[in-house]
Amino acid sequence: DTEVTQTPKHLVMGMTNKKSLKCEQHMGHRAMYWYKQKAKKPPELMFVYSYEKLSINESVPSRFSPECPNSSLLNLHLHALQPEDSALYLCASSQDPQSYNEQFFGPGTRLTVL
Amino acid sequence: DAKTTQPPSMDCAEGRAANLPCNHSTISGNEYVYWYRQIHSQGPQYIIHGLKNNETNEMASLIITEDRKSSTLILPHATLRDTAVYYCIVRVLRGSNYQLIWGAGTKLIIKP
Repeated sequence: DTEVTQTPKHLVMGMTNKKSLKCEQHMGHRAMYWYKQKAKKPPELMFVYSYEKLSINESVPSRFSPECPNSSLLNLHLHALQPEDSALYLCASSQDPQSYNEQFFGPGTRLTVL
Repeated sequence: DAKTTQPPSMDCAEGRAANLPCNHSTISGNEYVYWYRQIHSQGPQYIIHGLKNNETNEMASLIITEDRKSSTLILPHATLRDTAVYYCIVRVLRGSNYQLIWGAGTKLIIKP
C-alpha cells in the first residue's frame, strides 16, 4: 500500500466552526507533513512530525493545531479560521525524517472558509 | 525565498521529448535538486532527484550542469497524461531538519 489518504475531500466551514482534517498512511513512514497550497502557487510547509513528535512548525497561526495520535495518523484541527485560510491542504509522508528522499502526497482536502 | 527559477509555462508535442529547465544558481554543495509534478486536482508526485551526477529512472532523466547552477528534467516521450505543473525544488538543511524549497513551477501542456 503506497497511498496516503485524506478525509474529507472537501470541507466548507464558517469562521466560528471547529473541524478536523485527517490523514492516514500504512507504509510504515516515520515522518508526516502538512502543507497548505493556494491556487497557482506551490505547496507551503506548515508542520512536520518526526517519529510522532512535532519537529517543525513554520510559524503557523494557533488556529491550526496538528496532532499525531500514532505513526499512521495525522490530524489538523481547525478553529476560528479566516476566509484567507481557504486553500488545498495536503498531507505527505516519508520513510526517513532526516532524508526527505521521497514524499508521498495525499490528494488533499479543499477547504473553504465562509 | 525560492532557490529555483523556472519558466511559467511550456508546450510540447505528444511523443516528443519534453525538456524542462531550472536555474538554481545559489545552490550549495550538499543541497539536492528534486523534481515533483502535480496533475490537476491531485497531490504532488515525486519524479526524480540528484546531487551532481545525471540521474535516470522509469519516469524521467535529470541532467545537472557541472557547476550545478542549473538542471534540466527530460520526459523522453511525452504523453497527454504528462500535462501537469512541474516543480523544481532544492532540499536544504535548516537546523537538524531537511526542508524542500519549492520553485514556482512550470505548467507543461502536452499537445496532440
